[in-house]
Amino acid sequence: DAKTTQPNSMESNEEEPVHLPCNHSTISGTDYIHWYRQLPSQGPEYVIHGLTSNVNNRMASLAIAEDRKSSTLILHRATLRDAAVYYCILTGGIADKLIFGTGTRLQVFP
Amino acid sequence: DAGITQSPRHKVTETGTPVTLRCHQTENHRYMYWYRQDPGHGLRLIHYSYGVKDTDKGEVSDGYSVSRSKTEDFLLTLESATSSQTSVYFCAITTLGVLGYTFGSGTRLTVV
Repeated sequence: DAKTTQPNSMESNEEEPVHLPCNHSTISGTDYIHWYRQLPSQGPEYVIHGLTSNVNNRMASLAIAEDRKSSTLILHRATLRDAAVYYCILTGGIADKLIFGTGTRLQVFP
Repeated sequence: DAGITQSPRHKVTETGTPVTLRCHQTENHRYMYWYRQDPGHGLRLIHYSYGVKDTDKGEVSDGYSVSRSKTEDFLLTLESATSSQTSVYFCAITTLGVLGYTFGSGTRLTVV
């Protein structure tokens, strides 16, 4: 399975945009890029996923580099509820098993 | 939440006893997964299933077995619990499509 690299932690102020980076230099042409987040004492929650093109949904945007070796999860206006661990995960198919790394812990300050 | 339930939510058991955790879904999803999470770590895959009676091992399957006799239920069994299996266990379901994985609320297991 291709690996991802994320910063251990990031900080943001409430109502500011947050850009969470993920490097995946060994990604293959058929790998999907998934983002999940885990709030304290909860199971992971799906955020967004993409293959080649940038993606938007009600929670976030996913910007994928042209060479697909990196991606960025964008939270447009951080709220206190967005404080969580964010995981960037590659899968070989849309229903392939998720292999988690240690993720990025996002702190949001009022 | 989203038709997936884990039971029990909490359990304390003694070393050497068998333990079975249950994951129940009402979504008729084909794929089901068991993960464990330890402090300071991401989730690690234990076993997964891609249909009734079709299961396979994940990253950390030693000491665990699974069964899936019905689409809606995926059971995780610790045949003889050890202290190293103290963890939070999460079940997940998915289907082919855009909705991603849905995770249960977790079972906190303590082996004393």
